[in-house]
Amino acid sequence: SQTIHQWPATLVQPVGSPLSLECTVEGTSNPNLYWYRQAAGRGLQLLFYSVGIGQISSEVPQNLSASRPQDRQFILSSKKLLLSDSGFYLCAWRRGWAGEQYFGPGTRLTVT
Amino acid sequence: SQKIEQNSEALNIQEGKTATLTCNYTNYSPAYLQWYRQDPGRGPVFLLLIRENEKEKRKERLKVTFDTTLKQSLFHITASQPADSATYLCALDQNNNDMRFGAGTRLTVKP
Repeated sequence: SQTIHQWPATLVQPVGSPLSLECTVEGTSNPNLYWYRQAAGRGLQLLFYSVGIGQISSEVPQNLSASRPQDRQFILSSKKLLLSDSGFYLCAWRRGWAGEQYFGPGTRLTVT
Repeated sequence: SQKIEQNSEALNIQEGKTATLTCNYTNYSPAYLQWYRQDPGRGPVFLLLIRENEKEKRKERLKVTFDTTLKQSLFHITASQPADSATYLCALDQNNNDMRFGAGTRLTVKP
């Protein structure tokens, strides 16, 4: 069976500090991978998606970046965090371009 | 502009009743519409998917309808239970890796 991991579960970082969130998927190969952000009481905002190693598509211009160094690893980064980067970050995967997505447990980021 | 509206931010119902949640959209042409459940502090969990050429889909106590003319989906939970209390998200899947989520409806089922 497939599982998706995210870490850390919670993170408190000062403004201007760097960020690295990691997501890994087990039990499948060549998944499509996604990073979402969810602000309190809001829907999910798609940040990045990847259809393969080294292939990243950005949906929202911001100070975040994503990388996919391995088939089942997806990393979200920032060089300098802003207060507005606070939120609940979710990684997801799915097979192909359509169909259900499977979400990780999320990372709660608070920028102070 | 494109919009996805889940028209109730919160819905309170009595145990045993049917919960009906609504998802309306404008300026989208989804190939699929999906419903997810999200518990506090957790990632969403997939429930049902319905294709644009399907009118209705059922899974146990869940039923989804999809009307592409009205641009609306209804999500029903029959014989609701307190354990069904959660936030329910609809998502429009345009079959191009561009899946858009609504803000969700928080359902509370009271015993």
